[in-house]
Amino acid sequence: DAGVTQSPTHLIKTRGQQVTLRCSPISGHKSVSWYQQVLGQGPQFIFQYYEKEERGRGNFPDRFSARQFPNYSSELNVNALLLGDSALYLCASSWSPSSYEQYFGPGTRLTVT
Amino acid sequence: QQQVKQSPQSLIVQKGGISIINCAYENTAFDYFPWYQQFPGKGPALLIAIRPDVSEKKEGRFTISFNKSAKQFSLHIMDSQPGDSATYFCAASKENSGNTPLVFGKGTRLSVIA
Repeated sequence: DAGVTQSPTHLIKTRGQQVTLRCSPISGHKSVSWYQQVLGQGPQFIFQYYEKEERGRGNFPDRFSARQFPNYSSELNVNALLLGDSALYLCASSWSPSSYEQYFGPGTRLTVT
Repeated sequence: QQQVKQSPQSLIVQKGGISIINCAYENTAFDYFPWYQQFPGKGPALLIAIRPDVSEKKEGRFTISFNKSAKQFSLHIMDSQPGDSATYFCAASKENSGNTPLVFGKGTRLSVIA
């Protein structure tokens, strides 16, 4: 069985631009979470989605948004990119939003110049 | 305010030795404590996890020790191997209105040398 997949692998954007990152959860998992991992730090929680609804949100500005599709895949959107948005963006999937075990994908490395 | 504090920041261990990484948490509502292993260029991989109703959990060479009164937990890697060289993250979670966000420590970079 495939694990969590994310695309693209790497991305370079300019300040002020917008970016969309994509995630497909493990087959059978219905909940997707997004995390931001700045170099040298642990991942920070951004969003959790289940059945296309936002179930939780971390301390991130409104420039960050996400959605989940009927097939449980998800997109993370970041508008008006700042240099500080440069990070590894990780998607994690779980059976349900109340499932503690979360399985991470390889991430998308975003560089903002 | 850092809710999960991890130490040391980096660790060098001889092959065959024991690696010990410590974490302390502040929020007593946390009820799930996982450890993740991350190799360069990869996402974190769930290694082992513990709930606060037990004081120790062992899976192969990896053991979590949990001290609820001290609000501390640690990862022990027995017979450490060069392939264990990676960054290790402790985390904590509690169910919050139907979601379970993980709160991570800052990570420990482990190097196992022959």
